[in-house]
Amino acid sequence: RKEVEQDPGPFNVPEGATVAFNCTYSNSASQSFFWYRQDCRKEPKLLMSVYSSGNEDGRFTAQLNRASQYISLLIRDSKLSDSATYLCVVNLDRGSTLGRLYFGRGTQLTVWP
Amino acid sequence: DAGVIQSPRHEVTEMGQEVTLRCKPISGHDYLFWYRQTMMRGLELLIYFNNNVPIDDSGMPEDRFSAKMPNASFSTLKIQPSEPRDSAVYFCASRQGESKHSPLHFGNGTRLTVT
Repeated sequence: RKEVEQDPGPFNVPEGATVAFNCTYSNSASQSFFWYRQDCRKEPKLLMSVYSSGNEDGRFTAQLNRASQYISLLIRDSKLSDSATYLCVVNLDRGSTLGRLYFGRGTQLTVWP
Repeated sequence: DAGVIQSPRHEVTEMGQEVTLRCKPISGHDYLFWYRQTMMRGLELLIYFNNNVPIDDSGMPEDRFSAKMPNASFSTLKIQPSEPRDSAVYFCASRQGESKHSPLHFGNGTRLTVT
């Protein structure tokens, strides 16, 4: 099983729609979770960290379910500018070091007018 | 503020040639990462440094790959000899501190094509 797995999509949704992505991770000891966004032919950029209690940033909501080992990203009121690939990232902590960051393959989102 | 700076942006070379990719991390960041991205495998961590010291190079595919960080503001990733399967986008990223929530800042990447 891969460390981080995502549905590659693509997800094609109209403007204003609500869309959700899930991501599963293999290591129950994982401590840190993130969503990154990558535009076509650009570098990944941090979208948001995912906290244990869940967190919201404007139209974006991230949730963590440790028991089932998955994280989710919900985008409300989709905009054309939300079209991108969303990367799930999990950090396995090892003692005093931060360990390796595992990236999912990404979920592609296209928002159409 | 200047972000992570990588050079060159594009590199086209012939099989067997040596390739050197360069990275300047954000000033003050004490972690530096080299990633490779392909359609087939996604983003893979090759190696990372903390305070210029290599911490984990288990992702380096084989002996043809080597990375150095001679000082806090410069790192190189070298492939010698290069092969067509090395064609990918290579990203350098840096991070500050040990916080679990410290974000990675990526450079623009080097698109490598080996013919």
